[in-house]
Formats: sequence, C-alpha cells, structure tokens
Amino acid sequence: GAVVSQHPSRVICKSGTSVKIECRSLDFQATTMFWYRQFPKKSLMLMATSNEGSKATYEQGVEKDKFLINHASLTLSTLTVTSAHPEDSSFYICSARTRGLAGGPGHNEQFFGPGTRLTVL
Amino acid sequence: GQSLEQPSEVTAVEGAIVQINCTYQTSGFYGLSWYQQHDGGAPTFLSYNALDGLEETGRFSSFLSRSDSYGYLLLQELQMKDSASYFCAVRSPDRGSTLGRLYFGRGTQLTVWP
Repeated sequence: GAVVSQHPSRVICKSGTSVKIECRSLDFQATTMFWYRQFPKKSLMLMATSNEGSKATYEQGVEKDKFLINHASLTLSTLTVTSAHPEDSSFYICSARTRGLAGGPGHNEQFFGPGTRLTVL
Repeated sequence: GQSLEQPSEVTAVEGAIVQINCTYQTSGFYGLSWYQQHDGGAPTFLSYNALDGLEETGRFSSFLSRSDSYGYLLLQELQMKDSASYFCAVRSPDRGSTLGRLYFGRGTQLTVWP
C-alpha cells in the first residue's frame, strides 16, 4: 500500500513554544490530507481537512489559529501547534487520501502516517 | 450527528474466531471501513464495504448490512500479533467533498491469549 510518513515521531517541548509536524505521502500524490488527534485508548478525532493549495477546513471546536495547517504541495502537509500547552499533549496522526480511479483498489482509501507523540511540559 | 458503537474490549485465545460488531447512525452513508491499530502505531486499513454482504481477505472478513446500519469484522485463526485496537469508520458525505470523510468508532481492544 501507499506510504505516509510523519516527522518527528516524538517531540517534547516547553509550554509556550511552537511545534511543527510534517506529513508526507511518499509514493503517491495526495490532494487531500487529514489531521487527527488521538487520546490514549480513545478514537481518532478529526481536527481538519486540508486540500492542496487551499485553506484547511477545521472541525467544530478546533482553533485554527492554534493549529496551523499548510498543504503546500501534493506530497506535504504541515501542522504547527502554536504556543503549546500541556493540554495539547496528544498523539497527532495525519492521513492522506489516494487519487485512485473510482471503483479501483485505491479509490476512497486513506493511508495513515505513524503518528507524532507530542508532550508539552 | 454521527455515532458509531462497537464493544470496548474483546478477548480470545489463539486459533479462535472473533467477531467485532459495529452499529452506526449517520446522516448519509458511503461505506464502512475497518482499521487496525497497534499500541503507539498508525491505523492500518483492513477493509471497506460499500455494498451489503461479506468481503473476505485472508483471515479477516468484513460484513455490511446497510438496512440494519450494521457491520462486523470477523477474525479467524487468531494469532498473538492480532492483539490490537480495531476501529470501524463510516465514510459519510462531507461539505464540498465528493469522497466524504471518515467518522471513527471508539475502537475495540482485542487481546489474544496463548
């Protein structure tokens, strides 16, 4: 299957600093990327959907000024957590959707990155 | 709104068969997906059902009944490595998107004992 990478895999930062997480689709072009947040033993909560070249669409309750998303190319999306606080500590996972042909094996399939564990002290 | 229900935990022994059920209530429905996630890892796509019936892929099968808003994941010949969380996810219409978006259940923690 298609590969999605995330960097860094783990980050520990002080409260008040900003952290940037990169998400790359390595062997396919992703017109749409998704950013999720997951708490321990909990479900994946969609934070925002980003389409290449346009502004991200944020889910209700997600502060767009705090979680800045940039989708500058078909293979790269970044999530920046600005002025991070301990309550922002979480597992952040990106996902990219393939551009498979309708009805084909890649259609409608989302591939997930390995996640980034953010700890804010 | 969207809601998905699945059991929080399931345990079984190696070699056994386990069925993880998922019921959903969504406004609009394109299909039901299943994902596997090991601790600290990324969700891995297992299956996608858009039509009623059973889809078989090796030891894993997935079933969908749209009229009952119900699906299940069937895992056969369980192995220790199958211990993980399993999420059902409904793909529903989303604003401006022809492919919709995924809504995830809370996940079922499967523990396989030797």
